[in-house]
Amino acid sequence: RKEVEQDPGPFNVPEGATVAFNCTYSNSASQSFFWYRQDCRKEPKLLMSVYSSGNEDGRFTAQLNRASQYISLLIRDSKLSDSATYLCVVTPQTGANNLFFGTGTRLTVIP
Amino acid sequence: DAGVTQSPTHLIKTRGQQVTLRCSPKSGHDTVSWYQQALGQGPQFIFQYYEEEERQRGNFPDRFSGHQFPNYSSELNVNALLLGDSALYLCASSFGLAGVGEQFFGPGTRLTVL
Repeated sequence: RKEVEQDPGPFNVPEGATVAFNCTYSNSASQSFFWYRQDCRKEPKLLMSVYSSGNEDGRFTAQLNRASQYISLLIRDSKLSDSATYLCVVTPQTGANNLFFGTGTRLTVIP
Repeated sequence: DAGVTQSPTHLIKTRGQQVTLRCSPKSGHDTVSWYQQALGQGPQFIFQYYEEEERQRGNFPDRFSGHQFPNYSSELNVNALLLGDSALYLCASSFGLAGVGEQFFGPGTRLTVL
């Protein structure tokens, strides 16, 4: 079983739409959780960390449910510039910061 | 402040050959991790170097080896290349072995094995 599972999409949404991505992780001991963004043929870049209390950064809201081992990302008022692949990422355990990535979910925002 | 740099940007090799990829971490970072990203997949952790030693390793064969130098830069070596080794190889740097700080990725080296 993969450490992190994501729906690969693609998600094609119109500008202004709200879109939600979900992922699940298999290791209940996982410690840290992130969403990374990767543009085509570029390196991944940290979008935001994810906390149990939920966190928001402008149009982006991330949520963690430890009981269900489930992570979500909500993007409101989608912009053309949001088109990218969104990678769900976890670190396995305390004392280790190697990252486990999902396959990524491709988002295309359409004018 | 230079970010993570990697060289070369692209590389073409044939099966059975050996390759060395290089990474310089972001200024102030002392830990380097290597990842392999196949087309359409997320990056997969290869190994991590700290204080010139391999500290953690993912599920990769011994054909994959590495090194970290006193200036914290790192090399990834792959021997006996297979077609399946074709991928984007990403280097990420961070501070501290178990740090919770952000890992910064370099632009990657795209390896094609023919």
